[in-house]
Amino acid sequence: NAGVTQTPKFQVLKTGQSMTLQCAQDMNHEYMSWYRQDPGMGLRLIHYSVGAGITDQGEVPNGYNVSRSTTEDFPLRLLSAAPSQTSVYFCASSYPRGVEQFFGPGTRLTVL
Amino acid sequence: AQSVTQPDIHITVSEGASLELRCNYSYGATPYLFWYVQSPGQGLQLLLKYFSGDTLVQGIKGFEAEFKRSQSSFNLRKPSVHWSDAAEYFCAGGTSGTYKYIFGTGTRLKVLA
Repeated sequence: NAGVTQTPKFQVLKTGQSMTLQCAQDMNHEYMSWYRQDPGMGLRLIHYSVGAGITDQGEVPNGYNVSRSTTEDFPLRLLSAAPSQTSVYFCASSYPRGVEQFFGPGTRLTVL
Repeated sequence: AQSVTQPDIHITVSEGASLELRCNYSYGATPYLFWYVQSPGQGLQLLLKYFSGDTLVQGIKGFEAEFKRSQSSFNLRKPSVHWSDAAEYFCAGGTSGTYKYIFGTGTRLKVLA
């Protein structure tokens, strides 16, 4: 199993550009989530999904969109990038209801 | 409101010394609790987890944690630290029936040779 994979590993955007961060898992996990990690703030939940076709907002959803058309994939879309979205983004997956999450290697995004 | 707090931003210990990293939680019910470790430039790796039962939990790499309901704490311990333990450590909590996990702000561990 590859586990949780994320692409790209690094990305530089200009303000106003859009892009999609990719996340895939091959463990047949129902639950997937996106976090952003900023210095001194730990990990904050952006969006999460409890299954294909079902998504919900986390703590910091503004400026991000998600969709879940398959169990395996959970892409995160930045509609119009802003410097405040410069961060490291982690995707995670798990079985339902309180079980440990498995994390991808992260995407380091810089918005100029 | 639910929260997970790590009071120490930085901790420095000498190699071979014992280690304790603090984690406090605030939940209405007993949460599921986790400790993760993140090496520089890497993702998060699970060290150990507590769901219920025995309050002393053993994890990987020689770590253990003790759940103390009376103190709302889940502190991480290691009897003898190795230089390779230098990393950032995150405590996290979740509850049955919810898919939202709350992470603490992390404790960065430095190990002196």
